[in-house]
Amino acid sequence: AQKITQTQPGMFVQEKEAVTLDCTYDTSDQSYGLFWYKQPSSGEMIFLIYQGSYDEQNATEGRYSLNFQKARKSANLVISASQLGDSAMYFCAMREGSLSGGYNKLIFGAGTRLAVHP
Amino acid sequence: EAQVTQNPRYLITVTGKKLTVTCSQNMNHEYMSWYRQDPGLGLRQIYYSMNVEVTDKGDVPEGYKVSRKEKRNFPLILESPSPNQTSLYFCASKGLNSGANVLTFGAGSRLTVL
Repeated sequence: AQKITQTQPGMFVQEKEAVTLDCTYDTSDQSYGLFWYKQPSSGEMIFLIYQGSYDEQNATEGRYSLNFQKARKSANLVISASQLGDSAMYFCAMREGSLSGGYNKLIFGAGTRLAVHP
Repeated sequence: EAQVTQNPRYLITVTGKKLTVTCSQNMNHEYMSWYRQDPGLGLRQIYYSMNVEVTDKGDVPEGYKVSRKEKRNFPLILESPSPNQTSLYFCASKGLNSGANVLTFGAGSRLTVL
């Protein structure tokens, strides 16, 4: 069965430093996709970044980058130059189902709570 | 503004009192889904719908019902709520075109069942 593991329940980082949030996944599918979402204290789910299993380059979106290591089945989120507003819960998720037909669901990890200290 | 709207945002109810959490999206998305979020478990899918009149169970459907009579609406019904349904609920939607990968989530509905 497909599974997402986030082994860091909590992390902290100094403002302006970079931080890596770990995510490992388990799937037997050849085609899959990995997402990171941010959940601030207000509760909403904010999409950050996506990586497809066939994408050759690591995804980047502004200060966010995804360190995709297919052989190790890891998809770690790297946040560069942390800001106080980055303090939030971060979820890694994987789509189950093919891209062309649309997927049926996302499988989420348990999340990592990041605290950015001034 | 493109969005998914859930109501109510907060609700406290008692065991056995039927309730409905509404969800509406204005993006003409075919796919809609409900998730619940519990500490240490992340988000788990309750039900999903690929289009009007097409619904299917997710991973934790027990105690819930859904309907999809119109494309924009996907209400979640708790016929007889129990305390173990106390949770944070999210509705989400997306289009089915290839490349339309990203789920758009509503703001969440925090439900407490006493």
